[in-house]
Amino acid sequence: GEDVEQSLFLSVREGDSSVINCTYTDSSSTYLYWYKQEPGAGLQLLTYIFSNMDMKQDQRLTVLLNKKDKHLSLRIADTQTGDSAIYFCAERRNQGGKLIFGQGTELSVKP
Amino acid sequence: DAGVIQSPRHEVTEMGQEVTLRCKPISGHNSLFWYRQTMMRGLELLIYFNNNVPIDDSGMPEDRFSAKMPNASFSTLKIQPSEPRDSAVYFCASIQGATYNEQFFGPGTRLTVL
Repeated sequence: GEDVEQSLFLSVREGDSSVINCTYTDSSSTYLYWYKQEPGAGLQLLTYIFSNMDMKQDQRLTVLLNKKDKHLSLRIADTQTGDSAIYFCAERRNQGGKLIFGQGTELSVKP
Repeated sequence: DAGVIQSPRHEVTEMGQEVTLRCKPISGHNSLFWYRQTMMRGLELLIYFNNNVPIDDSGMPEDRFSAKMPNASFSTLKIQPSEPRDSAVYFCASIQGATYNEQFFGPGTRLTVL
């Protein structure tokens, strides 16, 4: 199918790690992205990974890519209440700048 | 840079009225995207332009929707006539180049059609 899929909700305690998962569909996708959307705002790029990479780390964020299974994950270490937001994964297919977004995972961080 | 600018931020209108949403991309960016976000359908790409030329409008839901980009610094998305099911948040985004570059999103226009 055409869909990029994510689980809809995740709830964690402050200080724990959060792992948000995503499956995508097109094995020829060149870049995969994680965006964050806070209430009432647009989407903001958190990080991206090129398809020939397995892992990328950026401070508290770790992205893992399993190209064989078309599975992408975002791990947030030491999750804070300010991390509460909706997280979207997106794949960029070989069609210029077009991105296909998942439906978003709402992360709730409880103190 | 002010980022991607969208106007209005909120629009409430009655069914059957014409609605025009506006977007100013970041200066120097050469691709512009219009998205629609709803609870039911998530984030959908409606249309995108490269160098002011529409490249892919397959996401435009029907003939009531039209988009234009008369120059590199301005785009409009028009709905005529509007219907209650068009109620959504409409985002505009722009990028520079065609590689991995980040799509910068505007703050969105929340449209309510009564």
